[in-house]
Amino acid sequence: ELKVEQNPLFLSMQEGKNYTIYCNYSTTSDRLYWYRQDPGKSLESLFVLLSNGAVKQEGRLMASLDTKARLSTLHITAAVHDLSATYFCAVDMGGGATNKLIFGTGTLLAVQP
Amino acid sequence: DAGVTQSPTHLIKTRGQHVTLRCSPISGHKSVSWYQQVLGQGPQFIFQYYEKEERGRGNFPDRFSARQFPNYSSELNVNALLLGDSALYLCASRLPGPYEQYFGPGTRLTVT
Repeated sequence: ELKVEQNPLFLSMQEGKNYTIYCNYSTTSDRLYWYRQDPGKSLESLFVLLSNGAVKQEGRLMASLDTKARLSTLHITAAVHDLSATYFCAVDMGGGATNKLIFGTGTLLAVQP
Repeated sequence: DAGVTQSPTHLIKTRGQHVTLRCSPISGHKSVSWYQQVLGQGPQFIFQYYEKEERGRGNFPDRFSARQFPNYSSELNVNALLLGDSALYLCASRLPGPYEQYFGPGTRLTVT
């Protein structure tokens, strides 16, 4: 059974600091997604990573995928309060027209002024 | 363009009752998936439908069922509700293949 683990589970950081969230998964997959969720809200897609070595950046967030190590990272640069949310990685266990996302445990990020 | 829509937004039911949740995918998307998110946890996969056929099923009891209609909208049905079914139910749609999945606003179900 696929397991997707994130760490840390909770991250409190000061504005302006850098940090990395890690996502480890237990079986082979080359499709990994990152989502953001604000309290009481739905999921907002951040990144789609589809191959080994894929790197994507949007604003202060950068995501990467190492399929050999079964590891994805979400790096936060110079954090601002607006980034406070819960971040999920999700591994796609499907193929072709079939998809089944297995979500990680989530990382609650709190950016303090 | 309209995103994924879900109805109702909130719902309160009593144990043992039945509930139907509805989802309309983004225009042109033929794949619809359902997820359950219990408070404080990540979403858990329930079903995926593509072209009106079930393509995947998560580890949920037979009380959970779903279907997809010719216009690609979908319903999730839950029978004999339990307190543990209280959760945010999310619907997502996507194009076939390795594309991002777009989530709807969710239906918050409370079972009392």
